[in-house]
Amino acid sequence: EVVLTQSPDNLSLSPGERATLSCRASQSVTSNWLAWYQQKPGQAPRLLIHGASSRATGIPDRFSGSGSGTDFTLTISRLEPEDFALYYCQQYGSSFTFGGGTKVEIK
Amino acid sequence: QVQLQESGPGLVKPLQTLSLTCTVSGGSITSGGYYWSWIRQHPGKGLEWIGYIYYSGLIDYNPSLKSRVTVSRQTSRNQFSLKLNSVTAADTAVYYCARSPPYSYGVFDSWGQGTLVTVSS
Repeated sequence: EVVLTQSPDNLSLSPGERATLSCRASQSVTSNWLAWYQQKPGQAPRLLIHGASSRATGIPDRFSGSGSGTDFTLTISRLEPEDFALYYCQQYGSSFTFGGGTKVEIK
Repeated sequence: QVQLQESGPGLVKPLQTLSLTCTVSGGSITSGGYYWSWIRQHPGKGLEWIGYIYYSGLIDYNPSLKSRVTVSRQTSRNQFSLKLNSVTAADTAVYYCARSPPYSYGVFDSWGQGTLVTVSS
């Protein structure tokens, strides 16, 4: 099983700041098949990024994904108030597994 | 725009079978090359994929749950279902149904709102 480790667990930032979230895989992710999701309390996850760097439909360009192999990053260039939420990475190169999540909270 | 809605009992007794249904509107589960999955989220924790049924009827499961899980579909009602046998408290979670697009079978681009299932006597 591909284990995904996200860091940090929590990220305290102010609106307008840049957020950098990390996702590390226990083995290379096939074809960089890695996605990122945003989840707010009481809601289902929302797809942000697929294929490591492709934004999903309707996702603002302040969200960007990068990385390859075992190391991936989600960057939010300038945090908006609605961006404070939980973020998960997920690989789909070998079955499907999710990371433990990073909570982006208001400082 | 596709919409998914989970339904089923919110409370299941230990060792019994958890049964949930996902009703899909705005698109057929038997066309378009889509995959239809079940995913769960334990309280306050991460996400776990359970299994999927492809539009063709092909099925796959999470190896860690495979011995207890059945995913099936009812095409006339545009629904697909989850059965999880011999449940324990560890199966208490919010259960989501979700869709994966044909361009990427492992990406979940549409989700139901989720339903909390509690396993307790």
